[in-house]
Amino acid sequence: DAGVTQSPTHLIKTRGQHVTLRCSPISGHKSVSWYQQVLGQGPQFIFQYYEKEERGRGNFPDRFSARQFPNYSSELNVNALLLGDSALYLCASSWTSGSSYNEQFFGPGTRLTVL
Amino acid sequence: RKEVEQDPGPFNVPEGATVAFNCTYSNSASQSFFWYRQDCRKEPKLLMSVYSSGNEDGRFTAQLNRASQYISLLIRDSKLSDSATYLCVVNGRGGADGLTFGKGTHLIIQP
Repeated sequence: DAGVTQSPTHLIKTRGQHVTLRCSPISGHKSVSWYQQVLGQGPQFIFQYYEKEERGRGNFPDRFSARQFPNYSSELNVNALLLGDSALYLCASSWTSGSSYNEQFFGPGTRLTVL
Repeated sequence: RKEVEQDPGPFNVPEGATVAFNCTYSNSASQSFFWYRQDCRKEPKLLMSVYSSGNEDGRFTAQLNRASQYISLLIRDSKLSDSATYLCVVNGRGGADGLTFGKGTHLIIQP
């Protein structure tokens, strides 16, 4: 079975632009989480979605938004890009939400560079 | 105080040595604990979950001390392929808070 897939793999944008990142979870998984990893840091939690509903949100500004589709794939949108948004954006899928013992599987990430 | 703190790196150790990583977490309500491994410019991958009774997987042993809010990872007989960044990870209330990662400790195994 395919793992978590993300697109695009790399992206270069300029300040003020917006970006849409995409994620397809492992088949059968219904929950998708998004993380931001800046260089030299561990990933930071942005959102968790389950059955198309937001179940959790990290400490990120309203410029960040996401949604989940009926096929459980997800999009992360970032508006008004700042230089500090340059990072690796990771998507993680899990079978369900609401359980802290639920293993999350990460995709290869989208590397965003904001110039 | 950071939510998850790890030993500063990098750790440079010779092949075959034993190396230990430590991690502390601040949220006493944390429910589950993990070690992830991340290779350069790759995604994190689950190495092992950490249970209160301690658990072992081949050359890797993880320990959890809830009273001290302390997690450890021991790697025995280290291999060149163990070179990576090791991330200490904590999960909070029902998973809705997402995973909380430490900054990671970079391990370099030298031949």
